[in-house]
Amino acid sequence: DTGVSQDPRHKITKRGQNVTFRCDPISEHNRLYWYRQTLGQGPEFLTYFQNEAQLEKSRLLSDRFSAERPKGSFSTLEIQRTEQGDSAMYLCASSLGLAGVNEQYFGPGTRLTVT
Amino acid sequence: QQQVKQSPQSLIVQKGGISIINCAYENTAFDYFPWYQQFPGKGPALLIAIRPDVSEKKEGRFTISFNKSAKQFSLHIMDSQPGDSATYFCAASLRMDSSYKLIFGSGTRLLVRP
Repeated sequence: DTGVSQDPRHKITKRGQNVTFRCDPISEHNRLYWYRQTLGQGPEFLTYFQNEAQLEKSRLLSDRFSAERPKGSFSTLEIQRTEQGDSAMYLCASSLGLAGVNEQYFGPGTRLTVT
Repeated sequence: QQQVKQSPQSLIVQKGGISIINCAYENTAFDYFPWYQQFPGKGPALLIAIRPDVSEKKEGRFTISFNKSAKQFSLHIMDSQPGDSATYFCAASLRMDSSYKLIFGSGTRLLVRP
C-alpha cells in the first residue's frame, strides 16, 4: 500500500494560465475526494467521485474548475484561467467506499501559487 | 449548522503533559468524527475516529472523548512529545450524506516544549 500520491507537489503559475493536478488514490479505493486548504484553515470539500462518476460538487467549485476520473483510477483537477484567489493547497483523499466506512486517507497535496 | 467549531487556536504544552483540543457541533445528524494530524507541507493524516454510540475511544496515547448531549468531542494526547508538535483538525460527516465528505474545524496548532 503506497498511499495516496499527488503530482506535482508544487506549482507556480501566472494569473490566467491553466493548471492540471493529478491524484493517484490507494489501489482498490473507489471513492476519491478533492479538498482545498488555505493557510491557517481546515480543508474544504470540492468534489467527490464514486468510481468514475462525479457525484457531488461544492459551490466552491466554479466553472473554471473541472475534475475527471477516467476508468475510476487516477483523477485530475484542472483550473482554467487561474486567479490569485486560487492559491491554496489542493488535497486529494480516497476511501474504500463500503457502506458505513468513512475513513479518508489524504495525499501530500499540491501547493498552487498564482502570481 | 454544518460547522464544526474547534478550540483553542493554538496550544503550548510541556513534554510529558496532556494536550486537550475541543470541538463542538450543532447538527445532530453528524455520525462520524475523525481527528487528523498535519505537519507543515504534508497532507492530513488520520489519527483516530469515533462514532456517537460510544463515549470514548483510545488508541495508544490518543483518546477521543465524546459527549453526545453536549454535542462536543475532544482529543486528549497523553504524555505529549515534541514530535507531536503539529496542527490538529477535528472533522465530522453527516449520516445521510452518501458522499461521506468531511467538514473540518479550523485547526489547533500544538507546540510541545522539550
